[in-house]
Amino acid sequence: DTAVSQTPKYLVTQMGNDKSIKCEQNLGHDTMYWYKQDSKKFLKIMFSYNNKELIINETVPNRFSPKSPDKAHLNLHINSLELGDSAVYFCASSPRGMYNEQFFGPGTRLTVL
Amino acid sequence: RKEVEQDPGPFNVPEGATVAFNCTYSNSASQSFFWYRQDCRKEPKLLMSVYSSGNEDGRFTAQLNRASQYISLLIRDSKLSDSATYLCVVSRSGNTGKLIFGQGTTLQVKP
Repeated sequence: DTAVSQTPKYLVTQMGNDKSIKCEQNLGHDTMYWYKQDSKKFLKIMFSYNNKELIINETVPNRFSPKSPDKAHLNLHINSLELGDSAVYFCASSPRGMYNEQFFGPGTRLTVL
Repeated sequence: RKEVEQDPGPFNVPEGATVAFNCTYSNSASQSFFWYRQDCRKEPKLLMSVYSSGNEDGRFTAQLNRASQYISLLIRDSKLSDSATYLCVVSRSGNTGKLIFGQGTTLQVKP
């Protein structure tokens, strides 16, 4: 009964490639997020969607493009991968609002060689 | 300066010890406050929300001081299973649910 799932769990790729990470939640939440956790362990919001509408778009390179086909799915596509993109990417979901617990997926560990 | 600051530690304590973590936040518009726990190579999970009056959940007590923009977490009678990184998290006003995470404080409880 996985609440928030991500695929793949590990992704190793060469610089310059394009890759996608998929996220699905079965909690019935309206809001989904993408976070990046770098090597220093800082967890930073990248994007958030509410009912397929983009509501948070932090300062990230436009090589990163989120897509939400429906409110249970939020995918992340990354073009022209760079060494600095190596990190753990977490998807999360919550009911809308700042007081609500966010539920995180298991993370996708991306390594760019 | 980071918006949410924590001492990264590590804090190495024996089983049964009481340990306290502190966190400061710089944005006075912050409205909601949390402690999340992250085990090694795992995802963060909510430990507890932090309320202005302070709140307790078993061995865990959280305090908020809005005037000083300071949040604390106290763990009593530490267990080996408490070993993890504890993330201080704030959310600003507005309805986006945007969370700002501190770097985390690492706790290692030893037998």
